[in-house]
Amino acid sequence: DGGITQSPKYLFRKEGQNVTLSCEQNLNHDAMYWYRQDPGQGLRLIYYSQIVNDFQKGDIAEGYSVSREKKESFPLTVTSAQKNPTAFYLCASSMSSPETQYFGPGTRLLVL
Amino acid sequence: AQTVTQSQPEMSVQEAETVTLSCTYDTSENNYYLFWYKQPPSRQMILVIRQEAYKQQNATENRFSVNFQKAAKSFSLKISDSQLGDTAMYFCAFLIQGAQKLVFGQGTRLTINP
Repeated sequence: DGGITQSPKYLFRKEGQNVTLSCEQNLNHDAMYWYRQDPGQGLRLIYYSQIVNDFQKGDIAEGYSVSREKKESFPLTVTSAQKNPTAFYLCASSMSSPETQYFGPGTRLLVL
Repeated sequence: AQTVTQSQPEMSVQEAETVTLSCTYDTSENNYYLFWYKQPPSRQMILVIRQEAYKQQNATENRFSVNFQKAAKSFSLKISDSQLGDTAMYFCAFLIQGAQKLVFGQGTRLTINP
């Protein structure tokens, strides 16, 4: 089946630890995105990538890093510099910009 | 700055009723796209409907339709014959031509009661 997968579903981070969230798509989409959702709020853009080996910062990139080595994959690393990482993280992809973005099931990140 | 406002934090209707969710937005751009996404308890964001700003005809998708008023910068979602499975958070969003970022509203929590 075509779609976007994210793993893990739940992730726990200890103080000072870097953690990586996985996002994979088999839709042959060129563009991929990472959003953060806090309780009672809409989504905010962290990073996006339009093509392999290229990515740009969104509105809230501080404390996060990404890579885009393959078209299908766009992992997000939450670094120790991100002081308030507890949130729901959603990955999305689109054929190109400004095509419709389709979302994965999300990863809930909690701090221990 | 581009903003999206959803003025109804929560709504509740009976099954089979029709409900309209409000959305207004602010932008100085002329070419953009508008979306309604649904987020059920599973929390996955699901596309409900999309509207291109250059199209005058309102988009329709089965029981879902929009009322797009470009001059008023209004983009409401009408759900006809509501079903229990329509219970979810609904987010209005827009995307400017040439930009990458979806700008989201705060959401409306819709509950369909049996």
